[in-house]
Amino acid sequence: DSGVTQTPKHLITATGQRVTLRCSPRSGDLSVYWYQQSLDQGLQFLIQYYNGEERAKGNILERFSAQQFPDLHSELNLSSLELGDSALYFCASSVGVDQPQHFGDGTRLSIL
Amino acid sequence: LAKTTQPISMDSYEGQEVNITCSHNNIATNDYITWYQQFPSQGPRFIIQGYKTKVTNEVASLFIPADRKSSTLSLPRVSLSDTAVYYCLVSPRGTDKLIFGTGTRLQVFP
Repeated sequence: DSGVTQTPKHLITATGQRVTLRCSPRSGDLSVYWYQQSLDQGLQFLIQYYNGEERAKGNILERFSAQQFPDLHSELNLSSLELGDSALYFCASSVGVDQPQHFGDGTRLSIL
Repeated sequence: LAKTTQPISMDSYEGQEVNITCSHNNIATNDYITWYQQFPSQGPRFIIQGYKTKVTNEVASLFIPADRKSSTLSLPRVSLSDTAVYYCLVSPRGTDKLIFGTGTRLQVFP
C-alpha cells in the first residue's frame, strides 16, 4: 500500500462528458503529480502541484485541468471527453523535490 | 532530459539474479537515476535511486559506472512475484517531472 488513494477506481462515461478524478496523497507529502497511461503512449506526465501551487506542467491538454486544495488532496478534471482519453490516470505524491514518488493504483477511465 | 534505452523484455527463473541495464548516453552532470517497478493495473513503485557508484537497499542494487552512461538494476534471487515492467528514469536534480520510457518486461518462470 503506497498510501496514495485514488477514487474512483473505474469510470465509464461517454464522449463529450466531464469527469473529476480525486487523489489523496500520502500523509506528509506536499507534492502531487498526475500521469496518464494509455496502451500506445506509456506513462505521460501531466501536471504537478506543490503545497497548493502549480509547479510543473507536462503534456496536459487544455481540456484538462487540475488543482490542489488546502488539505493537499488534488482533483484532475477532464472535459469534452474523447475516445482517445480512455486510459489509466495515476496520481503520485512525494515529500518534495528529488524525493521518490509514490503512486496510487489509478483510475481507469473508459470513454464509450 | 536524457533519453534511456532498455531491453524490451527479459526472461529468468526463480532464484536467479537478474540484471537489467539501462543506457543513458547523454546523461548530464546533475542527473540522477531512478528505477520503478510496475505490475499490471497498478501504479509504478519506487525501487531505488542513485547518482554514482553503487546503491543497495533491501530489494535491489543499482550499479553506476564512472562515466554514468549506463546503469544496472540488480535483483537478487528473483521470485515469480518479481514478474513486472521495470522502468529506468534519468532526471535532473530539482526536477520532479518523470519521463517514463517503454520499460523492460521481466518474466520470471518457476
